[in-house]
Amino acid sequence: DAGVIQSPRHEVTEMGQEVTLRCKPISGHNSLFWYRQTMMRGLELLIYFNNNVPIDDSGMPEDRFSAKMPNASFSTLKIQPSEPRDSAVYFCASGDGTFSYEQYFGPGTRLTVT
Amino acid sequence: SQKIEQNSEALNIQEGKTATLTCNYTNYSPAYLQWYRQDPGRGPVFLLLIRENEKEKRKERLKVTFDTTLKQSLFHITASQPADSATYLCALVGNQGGKLIFGQGTELSVKP
Repeated sequence: DAGVIQSPRHEVTEMGQEVTLRCKPISGHNSLFWYRQTMMRGLELLIYFNNNVPIDDSGMPEDRFSAKMPNASFSTLKIQPSEPRDSAVYFCASGDGTFSYEQYFGPGTRLTVT
Repeated sequence: SQKIEQNSEALNIQEGKTATLTCNYTNYSPAYLQWYRQDPGRGPVFLLLIRENEKEKRKERLKVTFDTTLKQSLFHITASQPADSATYLCALVGNQGGKLIFGQGTELSVKP
């Protein structure tokens, strides 16, 4: 298995632009998680899907952030409009259970908003 | 408020020694605790999971303890090797489900 796939690996954009991050979870996994990692705040959960349904989006910072999972093999995290404080590494992870089970992380997308 | 604390300072040890990393938490009643390893530029990799009713868990050179009275987990790497150098993250899951909350991580450096 190729593991969790994320694209792009790096994204540099100007403030105000729309950014879309993509994730393909491991086949057969029914849970998908989006995290954000910064030096100041560490690794934070943004949103969690189970069987393609959003379960907990309380970590989404504000309405500029949205996430979708149209099918079991694809998810997107969109930021519109982007701001410099959104600069971070965004990880997607998948698992075959709930939070209590191990999660498999992708390589991350490093986002820089200038 | 709920808080997870890991050694903020990097841990430097000599090859062959045992590395011990600490994870303390407050205002939590975690049902599970997990440890992950993260290398620079990569995503975290799951290492071990321990449940609240387990005192200790081992996997090869790794050992994790979980003391719910002290609200602490210790992560040990025996016979450490330079390849063990990485950042190690602990993560807690509450017993009502909910988010997996990560600590800030401790950077381990094993010198040959």
